[in-house]
Amino acid sequence: GAVVSQHPSRVICKSGTSVKIECRSLDFQATTMFWYRQFPKQSLMLMATSNEGSKATYEQGVEKDKFLINHASLTLSTLTVTSAHPEDSSFYICSARVPGQVREQYFGPGTRLTVT
Amino acid sequence: GEDVEQSLFLSVREGDSSVINCTYTDSSSTYLYWYKQEPGAGLQLLTYIFSNMDMKQDQRLTVLLNKKDKHLSLRIADTQTGDSAIYFCAETPTGGGNKLTFGTGTQLKVEL
Repeated sequence: GAVVSQHPSRVICKSGTSVKIECRSLDFQATTMFWYRQFPKQSLMLMATSNEGSKATYEQGVEKDKFLINHASLTLSTLTVTSAHPEDSSFYICSARVPGQVREQYFGPGTRLTVT
Repeated sequence: GEDVEQSLFLSVREGDSSVINCTYTDSSSTYLYWYKQEPGAGLQLLTYIFSNMDMKQDQRLTVLLNKKDKHLSLRIADTQTGDSAIYFCAETPTGGGNKLTFGTGTQLKVEL
C-alpha cells in the first residue's frame, strides 16, 4: 500500500520559535495532501488542503500566516508553525491521496509538537 | 455543517464481538470510512462503504449502513487484544471534494 512518512515524529520548541514538519509520500506522487490537528482524546480536525504547485486551501478559523504550508514537489508538503505558542502544542497528522484513487487517504504517523 | 458522533468508550472481553456505532448528519455522504488509531500513531484505514450499500464484510470486520437513520456501525468478530485502539468513523460528502469529516472517536479496550 501507499506509505506516507512524517518528520520529525516529536519536537519540543520554545515559545516564539518556528517549527517545520515534513510530510512525504514515499512510493507514490501526491498532488494533494492534507494537514490535520488532533488534541488529546479528540478527533482530527482538518486544517488545510495542500496542493502541489499552488496555494494551500485553509479551513475556516485556521490562520494561514501562522500555519504556513508549502507543497513544492509531488512527494513533499511542509507545515511550518510560526511563532509557536504553548496552545499550538498538539499532534499534527498529514495524509495524501493517491491520484486516481478517490476513496482513500493514506495517513502519516503524526508529529507530536510541544511548545514550552 | 457536518456532524459525526460516536460513543467515547467500549470495553469487551477477548473473543467477543465488538460493535462500534456512529451517527452522522450529512445525508449527501458518498463514502463512509472506519479508521483505527493506535496510541501515538497515525490512522490506518480499515474499511469503507459506498453510500448505496447496506453492508460490507471484510474478514473479521462487518460494516452496516442505515442511510435512513444515518447510522453506521463496525462489528469486529473475535476481538483480540491487538484490536485495542481508537476507532474513527469518517465521511466524505457529495461535493466535499477530498475532505474527510471525522467522528469523535471510540476507544476500544479489549480485556482478557
